[in-house]
Amino acid sequence: DIQMTQSPSSLSASVGDRVTITCQASQDIRNYLNWYQQRPGKAPKLLIHDASNLGSGVPSRFSGSRSGTHFTLTISSLQPEDIATYFCQEYDHKYTFGQGTKLEIK
Amino acid sequence: EVQLVQSGAEVKKPGDSLKISCRTSGYTFTNYWIGWVRQEPGKGLEWVGIIYPGDSETTYNPSFQGHVTVSADKSISTAYLQWSSLHISDTAIYYCAKGLHDYVWGPLADWGQGTLVTVSS
Repeated sequence: DIQMTQSPSSLSASVGDRVTITCQASQDIRNYLNWYQQRPGKAPKLLIHDASNLGSGVPSRFSGSRSGTHFTLTISSLQPEDIATYFCQEYDHKYTFGQGTKLEIK
Repeated sequence: EVQLVQSGAEVKKPGDSLKISCRTSGYTFTNYWIGWVRQEPGKGLEWVGIIYPGDSETTYNPSFQGHVTVSADKSISTAYLQWSSLHISDTAIYYCAKGLHDYVWGPLADWGQGTLVTVSS
């Protein structure tokens, strides 16, 4: 089975900061990696699909990248509405989610 | 506008059966995969199973295989997740979600609001 190791598990940052969340796959998943944002009490929302493609209506401060089996979600300038938990998900083999990163404002 | 509207919260006892629904609109139901995702209280996301309504092809997370059944009714554009015998450990929010691309599975682009299932003696 594929393991998706997401880090950090929690993160505190200030408005305007650059924030990076990473996801490491245990084997090659090509570009089949998505990022979701889940605000408290809400359903997840697709942020980035296929490693680096912005989801519909997602602000351009969000971006995704890949280096081998290492994937990164970057928020270029943190906004208050970005407070949420972020999950990575592979779909090359089935669907496996990372453990999540809870992002808070400092 | 794509919409996925899930059935309401349920409170059941261990051993009970249950079928929750995901009513869809705004797109061609038979052309897109629909997945079910579980979220236990305060926990992360787990994929349960996925169905292609066009031919009812279904795949399950091995952790849930044999314990749940995913199905779809094309005539009313509705997907279902059901249990024949609930466990206390099934207590969670269950989300349905529609695939981003037609015909192939992949990113889950549109989500229902979630159905809270509580199993308690």
